Amino acid sequence: GQQLNQSPQSMFIQEGEDVSMNCTSSSIFNTWLWYKQDPGEGPVLLIALYKAGELTSNGRLTAQFGITRKDSFLNISASIPSDVGIYFCAGRAGGTSYGKLTFGQGTILTVHP
Amino acid sequence: NAGVTQTPKFQVLKTGQSMTLQCAQDMNHEYMSWYRQDPGMGLRLIHYSVGAGITDQGEVPNGYNVSRSTTEDFPLRLLSAAPSQTSVYFCASHATGDYGYTFGSGTRLTVV
Repeated sequence: GQQLNQSPQSMFIQEGEDVSMNCTSSSIFNTWLWYKQDPGEGPVLLIALYKAGELTSNGRLTAQFGITRKDSFLNISASIPSDVGIYFCAGRAGGTSYGKLTFGQGTILTVHP
Repeated sequence: NAGVTQTPKFQVLKTGQSMTLQCAQDMNHEYMSWYRQDPGMGLRLIHYSVGAGITDQGEVPNGYNVSRSTTEDFPLRLLSAAPSQTSVYFCASHATGDYGYTFGSGTRLTVV
């Protein structure tokens, strides 16, 4: 099956620092999604990317859909304590895979005040 | 608008017991899925459905059954629980053309 490798697995940063995480795939995706999960809750969609090369922002978050369609990254600028959580990338291939999302292993973010 | 509702939130089963995890959505979404989340492994797709009466297997379907008799409900059945099924289970839904799933808050299942 499709594999998504997400890195880093965890990050410990100081409040105000910028954060970067990325995902790479062994195969092509038509859509890349970035989710955040708070403790005891389900993942919540942060950013969706639909075209190769697309760069999209949502407040302090910026994500890009790689040109090869096999990778994506998420940047968080000027981190704050409420950014703490687990961040997941997810990809969707086309055709009969519509409706199926493949998730990365997650990046655990800790922000020290 | 409740979104995606999962019940129960917590459950402890003995090995060999059966149970059904409930999932309901009130957004009239065509697509629904079940994922399990285990530490360090992200979310893995168990089963999904593209509409009432249509289901298909995901990455880890063994030991689980699903059916979709209505648009709103997508229950997940464990026929004979095993300790390897100890996990957090998430149900999710989305509409056609909307690529981002809406997730429920999860069911934490422990099999002893």
